[in-house]
Amino acid sequence: EPEVTQTPSHQVTQMGQEVILRCVPISNHLYFYWYRQILGQKVEFLVSFYNNEISEKSEIFDDQFSVERPDGSNFTLKIRSTKLEDSAMYFCASRAWLGYTFGSGTRLTVV
Amino acid sequence: TQLLEQSPQFLSIQEGENLTVYCNSSSVFSSLQWYRQEPGEGPVLLVTVVTGGEVKKLKRLTFQFGDARKDSSLHITAAQPGDTGLYLCAGEPFGNEKLTFGTGTRLTIIP
Repeated sequence: EPEVTQTPSHQVTQMGQEVILRCVPISNHLYFYWYRQILGQKVEFLVSFYNNEISEKSEIFDDQFSVERPDGSNFTLKIRSTKLEDSAMYFCASRAWLGYTFGSGTRLTVV
Repeated sequence: TQLLEQSPQFLSIQEGENLTVYCNSSSVFSSLQWYRQEPGEGPVLLVTVVTGGEVKKLKRLTFQFGDARKDSSLHITAAQPGDTGLYLCAGEPFGNEKLTFGTGTRLTIIP
């Protein structure tokens, strides 16, 4: 069954550093998303991406965040200057029509 | 802000019993999805319901979308230890791509 692949699975970074989280969505999907889940809390929407541009973003997705689809397969989330409160599981998802396929996530720990 | 409240938050029952998990909102959704999430993993889609009143069955799991498209339920018949996990509902609003996740129900089936 097709999968959404995320790398790395774990990332530890110092506060103020830049991180890039990588995702390979399912190849024939057209809609891509980033969600995050702070430990013990709900899964929260960050951003949706379609046709090489952001289609919607949440209040969480401020100027410190950016997304990019640099080639035909990768979809990245960049956090420019990480803060302690950015520590969370970050999930990439892609969608063809109904239903989303989520990756296994990247656990980001900011110290 | 659209909220999805799930109840109960925690449920622990004996193997072989039946159970129902509820997902309620004051908002209307174009579709509602149920996911199961294992520790350290991303949500895995179980079902998507799109029509008010729709009922879908997945083996021992029965999902129903409320007539007004504001609520949903998940019923498990003859629960088994393999059903243990975190169950999440998520609603997709009309004209909007972002999923709003519920608060989750952590289910434990005791052998």
